[in-house]
Amino acid sequence: EDKVVQSPLSLVVHEGDTVTLNCSYEVTNFRSLLWYKQEKKAPTFLFMLTSSGIEKKSGRLSSILDKKELFSILNITATQTGDSAIYLCAVRTGNFGNEKLTFGTGTRLTIIP
Amino acid sequence: NAGVTQTPKFQVLKTGQSMTLQCAQDMNHNSMYWYRQDPGMGLRLIYYSASEGTTDKGEVPNGYNVSRLNKREFSLRLESAAPSQTSVYFCASYRRAVEGQPQHFGDGTRLSIL
Repeated sequence: EDKVVQSPLSLVVHEGDTVTLNCSYEVTNFRSLLWYKQEKKAPTFLFMLTSSGIEKKSGRLSSILDKKELFSILNITATQTGDSAIYLCAVRTGNFGNEKLTFGTGTRLTIIP
Repeated sequence: NAGVTQTPKFQVLKTGQSMTLQCAQDMNHNSMYWYRQDPGMGLRLIYYSASEGTTDKGEVPNGYNVSRLNKREFSLRLESAAPSQTSVYFCASYRRAVEGQPQHFGDGTRLSIL
């Protein structure tokens, strides 16, 4: 059974702090790892990672994948109140044309002004 | 662009009632998915359809049925609703022909079973 574990489950920090969110996985037939941000409604896509060691960056957010150790991290620098959300990690598995995502439980991030 | 549209947004049912959740996407995506999200559980896959005419069970299929009506539409049916099915349901779609594409999600249906 495919398994994705995120830590911590919950994190409260002050505005301006830097945070690191963790995602480890044990899956069969790995294709890619995705990070999503979820505020009130639908998860919105942040990053997709397929290769080890290549950092993806978007503004204050960055992410990297280690396929040998089976984990990924999501970093957010200079946090703002708008970063408060649930951050979801998901791993895509399966043969091409029959893929599916397995999600972790998410990390609830709260930024205090 | 509408993206992925789910209806209804909210619904309250009594135990034993039946209900169909509708999902439609206008992005010409091949694959469509139904998830449920419960507190502390993340998103769990109920059923998915890799292409028109095919459906497969996910992690938590019991108590649900699906229909891939055409390429655009993928419905989820609860035949006899139970309180354990109280949840937020998300539909998603994915263009599998192009690697590196994410799944796109609808805004969800909040379902309460009394």
